[in-house]
Amino acid sequence: QITLKESGPTLVKPTQTLTLTCTFSGFSLSTSGVAVGWIRQPPGRALEWLSLIYWDDDKRYSPSLKTRLTITKDTSKNQVVLTMTNMDPVDTATYYCAHLYSTSFDPWGQGTLVTVSS
Amino acid sequence: SYVLTQPPSVSVAPGQTARITCGGNNIGSKSVHWYQQKPGQAPVLVVYDDSDRPSGIPERFSGSNSGNTATLTISRVEAGDEADYYCQVWDSSSEWVFGGGTKMTV
Repeated sequence: QITLKESGPTLVKPTQTLTLTCTFSGFSLSTSGVAVGWIRQPPGRALEWLSLIYWDDDKRYSPSLKTRLTITKDTSKNQVVLTMTNMDPVDTATYYCAHLYSTSFDPWGQGTLVTVSS
Repeated sequence: SYVLTQPPSVSVAPGQTARITCGGNNIGSKSVHWYQQKPGQAPVLVVYDDSDRPSGIPERFSGSNSGNTATLTISRVEAGDEADYYCQVWDSSSEWVFGGGTKMTV
């Protein structure tokens, strides 16, 4: 059974850097073909893909956010970390991590709400 | 960038069939995935690769994809199907793309 869980701050100030951790179980990021992605959802709005990392350390970023995002993995800890710099109130959202299945995401973590406010 | 267009809302009576569309340029050449999201919950994959269902998803959920439109069909709609539904594709330029979501009211 695959599970994922996001953790990180619930409140960040504008201009600060957000660091989120996805801790997973039921699979290994050292296995060929495996990947973990990050998706966010502002309150009342649609899903937005942010980033993804493959087992071989291939990293992908949303074209609109790539200058602000960094994704890394720690295979020994079963964790994926996403950092987003220069946070703004418009970045207030629920941030999800998810396991890549084919080119879809399944399953997803429960999500973590991050509020950007001074 | 690749854009997916969904109707903001659909309304269907219990027991009827709901159809939610997802429009995109030549979307028929891509694999389309559909997610169900209930209030306060994470999205759940209900259809992948156009028309396949993950284990545990009722047969009432089906999908099709051709030309510029993909469709999620929910047969014999139940009150518990009330949710937001999102389509998603992978595109070589935009990578992973989600539609704007459709709120289905039963």
